[in-house]
Amino acid sequence: AQSVTQLGSHVSVSEGALVLLRCNYSSSVPPYLFWYVQYPNQGLQLLLKYTSAATLVKGINGFEAEFKKSETSFHLTKPSAHMSDAAEYFCAASGAGSYQLTFGKGTKLSVIP
Amino acid sequence: GAVVSQHPSWVICKSGTSVKIECRSLDFQATTMFWYRQFPKQSLMLMATSNEGSKATYEQGVEKDKFLINHASLTLSTLTVTSAHPEDSSFYICSWSPPEADTQYFGPGTRLTVL
Repeated sequence: AQSVTQLGSHVSVSEGALVLLRCNYSSSVPPYLFWYVQYPNQGLQLLLKYTSAATLVKGINGFEAEFKKSETSFHLTKPSAHMSDAAEYFCAASGAGSYQLTFGKGTKLSVIP
Repeated sequence: GAVVSQHPSWVICKSGTSVKIECRSLDFQATTMFWYRQFPKQSLMLMATSNEGSKATYEQGVEKDKFLINHASLTLSTLTVTSAHPEDSSFYICSWSPPEADTQYFGPGTRLTVL
């Protein structure tokens, strides 16, 4: 069974600073990996996904993530935080060809002006 | 593209009543969809996987007689919370998985509060 671990339930950064949200997966076979963002009282919006193509994946709103098989990681980064980035971020994994997603517990990102 | 709607966006009901939540895919069709529940400050927990025309597959610990899923078409699914109790208060989110898509598309969620 897969598991997804997000390190840090809450991350605070200053506006303009680097954003780094950590995600590690546990799977014997490299899964498909996703980052979703959730704004208060809203559903999930896909930021980016890794599906065994390029290991560096660029998503929306300036976010990107790098798949590192040796570290079983898929950390999310953004060079410069914006106030509008404040939200909850979820890392998720699915098996290749599987529809089901396993979610991490989420990381709340706060951006300090 | 890949727009999913949910109705209602929030609902308050009395304990013991039933509540129906609709989930629609607006610009695509899909056989498979999912219902999730999210408690405050927690992650999404999969409740059930539903394929159009078949009975839903419920996750362990989710009562199928309490959470009735009707998936009658490729664009509409409903979740009915029967005899709701305060502990059923949660944020319910649906998602669809279109064919040849490698991800799910999520609805905006429904906030259920049971008094």
